[in-house]
Amino acid sequence: QVQLQESGPGLVKPSETLSLTCAVSGYSISSGYYWDWIRQPPGKGLEWIGSIFQGGNTHYNPSLESRVTISVDASKNLFSLNVASVTAADTAVYYCARRIPVVAACDFWGQGTLVTVSS
Amino acid sequence: AIQLTQSPSSLSASVGDRVTITCRASQVIYNALAWYQQRPGKPPNLLIYDASSLESGVPSRFSGSRSGTDFTLTISNLQSEDFATYYCQQFNSYPLTFGGGTKVEIK
Repeated sequence: QVQLQESGPGLVKPSETLSLTCAVSGYSISSGYYWDWIRQPPGKGLEWIGSIFQGGNTHYNPSLESRVTISVDASKNLFSLNVASVTAADTAVYYCARRIPVVAACDFWGQGTLVTVSS
Repeated sequence: AIQLTQSPSSLSASVGDRVTITCRASQVIYNALAWYQQRPGKPPNLLIYDASSLESGVPSRFSGSRSGTDFTLTISNLQSEDFATYYCQQFNSYPLTFGGGTKVEIK
């Protein structure tokens, strides 16, 4: 069974960099799926942040692109998210997910991790 | 970016009801749309992919359809565990986008 688990600091200071990792088990991250980051501010809807495909091909939401980096560590079977220069507006539950190429779906999701931006 | 407009934003229904949620895309996205269910404090759970294909393990009372740029999620015979928020997501072009969500509440 595929499982994804987000980890990282729950509290980040304004202007600093938010860094999260998503550990994948039950599937090789190099085997041909997209790996996505999605976030959800408290009480609000879902926002797609970006994705990475095998070989390191990335796509980002233009609303965040100047501040976001997604990378893969295939040796550890995980992928990571960095969001620079955070503000209170970046406070959200951050989810990682597996997305199926050619099919419209994210089929496996992590449980999510709440990141609060506050001094 | 492609906008997805979900309606209604909330609805009240009773167990046994038939519920219909609509997601309208701002441009043609073909069948590149998924529906998710999200319960409080949980991640979204895939229900429907490719607009009308039922994900494995999802009850058959859930169904999806498409007419042009309008997509519909139907829940027939609503059950107590179906009270949740539902989102659509398009995969036709980047950036991927979500609808605003529809909260299904108990009447």
